[in-house]
Amino acid sequence: AQSVAQPEDQVNVAEGNPLTVKCTYSVSGNPYLFWYVQYPNRGLQFLLKYITGDNLVKGSYGFEAEFNKSQTSFHLKKPSALVSDSALYFCAVRANYGGSQGNLIFGKGTKLSVKP
Amino acid sequence: NAGVTQTPKFRVLKTGQSMTLLCAQDMNHEYMYWYRQDPGMGLRLIHYSVGEGTTAKGEVPDGYNVSRLKKQNFLLGLESAAPSQTSVYFCASSSFRTQGGPREQFFGPGTRLTVL
Repeated sequence: AQSVAQPEDQVNVAEGNPLTVKCTYSVSGNPYLFWYVQYPNRGLQFLLKYITGDNLVKGSYGFEAEFNKSQTSFHLKKPSALVSDSALYFCAVRANYGGSQGNLIFGKGTKLSVKP
Repeated sequence: NAGVTQTPKFRVLKTGQSMTLLCAQDMNHEYMYWYRQDPGMGLRLIHYSVGEGTTAKGEVPDGYNVSRLKKQNFLLGLESAAPSQTSVYFCASSSFRTQGGPREQFFGPGTRLTVL
């Protein structure tokens, strides 16, 4: 079965410190991976995606993600966290089963809290 | 561009009542989706559409119906609401995938539904 796991319900970081939000996946074939962010009472916003090519993907708001095929991981990173980065982060993988038309399978989300 | 809009933003229903949630997008996207978001469960796909006049079931379709009579609109219906359908509902849209891989989904602001 295809799935996405976000092993941490919450990540706490001090402002200015680097942050990592973890994601592992299980999918048949080539993985297409996404990160989204959700601010309170808002819809999800696209941050970045991995399709192919460089394992380090750069996205919006200074975020980047590292694709690691051997560890089946796609961790989200930022060198220096801001209080305004506090939000709910979702990892997603494109489904590869027949007829799915490329639907996304989402992880359960990780709440990032950045303290001043 | 307004992007993806959803109507209404909030709604309270009694068990057994019916309602329709409206999603509209002005990006000329082919694909549209309905998700529900519940605490600790991430986003789960209810139904989706790959074009005008076509719909398909997602992960949790029971108790819901959809219609896509116009390319820009995707309606989600609850014929007989149940407390288990209390959730936040998100609509999303995306363009047809290209050789560069799947395109990201754009999300609406959500509809918070409570069924008493």
